[in-house]
Amino acid sequence: ETGVTQSPTHLIKTRGQQVTLRCSSQSGHNTVSWYQQALGQGPQFIFQYYREEENGRGNFPPRFSGLQFPNYSSELNVNALELDDSALYLCASSFPRGAYNEQFFGPGTRLTVL
Amino acid sequence: AQSVTQLGSHVSVSEGALVLLRCNYSSSVPPYLFWYVQYPNQGLQLLLKYTTGATLVKGINGFEAEFKKSETSFHLTKPSAHMSDAAEYFCAVSDNRAAGNKLTFGGGTRVLVKP
Repeated sequence: ETGVTQSPTHLIKTRGQQVTLRCSSQSGHNTVSWYQQALGQGPQFIFQYYREEENGRGNFPPRFSGLQFPNYSSELNVNALELDDSALYLCASSFPRGAYNEQFFGPGTRLTVL
Repeated sequence: AQSVTQLGSHVSVSEGALVLLRCNYSSSVPPYLFWYVQYPNQGLQLLLKYTTGATLVKGINGFEAEFKKSETSFHLTKPSAHMSDAAEYFCAVSDNRAAGNKLTFGGGTRVLVKP
């Protein structure tokens, strides 16, 4: 059974650019969540996708957007990058989507904005 | 709104000593509680969770945690630290009323194990 995978591993962008991060969920998992983990802090919830629709969003501006595809893989897009967007971006998948269920995390994508 | 507070951003223990990591939560409804561990340059791995039932929960790698509703706490313990326990630990809460399973994390506690 393949776990959650994310690509790329590392990414360097400049302020104002756009970035797309990708996540493949664990086999059979139909719910994908994205988290932002700034250096020295706990992860913060960005949004969640369930069956290709957004299913909850944290306190992030609209320039953070996402997609989920029919195979349940997902993308996180960030427009107009700011220096504070530098962080580790974690993807997590789960099934079913109940609040009591474990989320399985990928290794993350480390984004550096210069 | 839910919140999680982890007391102590860094904890240093000797190998073989007790590990105690503190977590207090705030939630308007009975919460689901989780402890995750993060090793350097890796994602998060679930150690244990509390949903309902027995308040003492046993997890992987010899860790356990006790849910105390009256104290709104979910402290993590391990009787004897091992060098491999050096990592960052996160307590998280999930709102059981909300659709889906958004996790609210504490700030984390980094554990250093001294030989």
